[in-house]
Amino acid sequence: GENVEQHPSTLSVQEGDSAVIKCTYSDSASNYFPWYKQELGKRPQLIIDIRSNVGEKKDQRIAVTLNKTAKHFSLHITETQPEDSAVYFCAVNAGGTSYGKLTFGQGTILTVHP
Amino acid sequence: EAQVTQNPRYLITVTGKKLTVTCSQNMNHEYMSWYRQDPGLGLRQIYYSMNVEVTDKGDVPEGYKVSRKEKRNFPLILESPSPNQTSLYFCASSLAGTGALGYTFGSGTRLTVV
Repeated sequence: GENVEQHPSTLSVQEGDSAVIKCTYSDSASNYFPWYKQELGKRPQLIIDIRSNVGEKKDQRIAVTLNKTAKHFSLHITETQPEDSAVYFCAVNAGGTSYGKLTFGQGTILTVHP
Repeated sequence: EAQVTQNPRYLITVTGKKLTVTCSQNMNHEYMSWYRQDPGLGLRQIYYSMNVEVTDKGDVPEGYKVSRKEKRNFPLILESPSPNQTSLYFCASSLAGTGALGYTFGSGTRLTVV
């Protein structure tokens, strides 16, 4: 099955700095790559996603880049704020007939210090 | 309000006693899925469903059953719960009509099996 590796497991930054989280995957048929944010005690929420026909997508302070050849994609958060502190998960879908299958990375705990 | 509703929010049960966690969505989504979340392991998909009467295994289906008799409902059944099924469970749904698979998550069910 799909193998998704997410790094780093924890990330601590100062307010205003940038944060980058990277995920690698194994299935070359995967074509959808979402990122979720989970605040303490809350449900995961989709913050940005990218499809395989696009190399980069940006939404205000967050962006995702995809390198299909190398099978990795990254979440970039600029001008971080304390409210960005949360656990971030990447995910990868399975291609072909298992399209509904979504495999998550292990998560990154991001702490933004004021 | 568009949402995914799962019940109960908290459940303590004993080993071997059959239980059902209900999940309902009011967004007319085709895809529905169950995940379990354990510390250090991220979110792992148990089962998913692409439409009524169409279900498939995720990464950790052992010990669980699901059914999709109606589009809006996707219950998770534990026929004989064991302590290693103690976990936080999330139900999620997705329209997936655009080829993307952005799941909307329910609030979660914290299950303890003693």
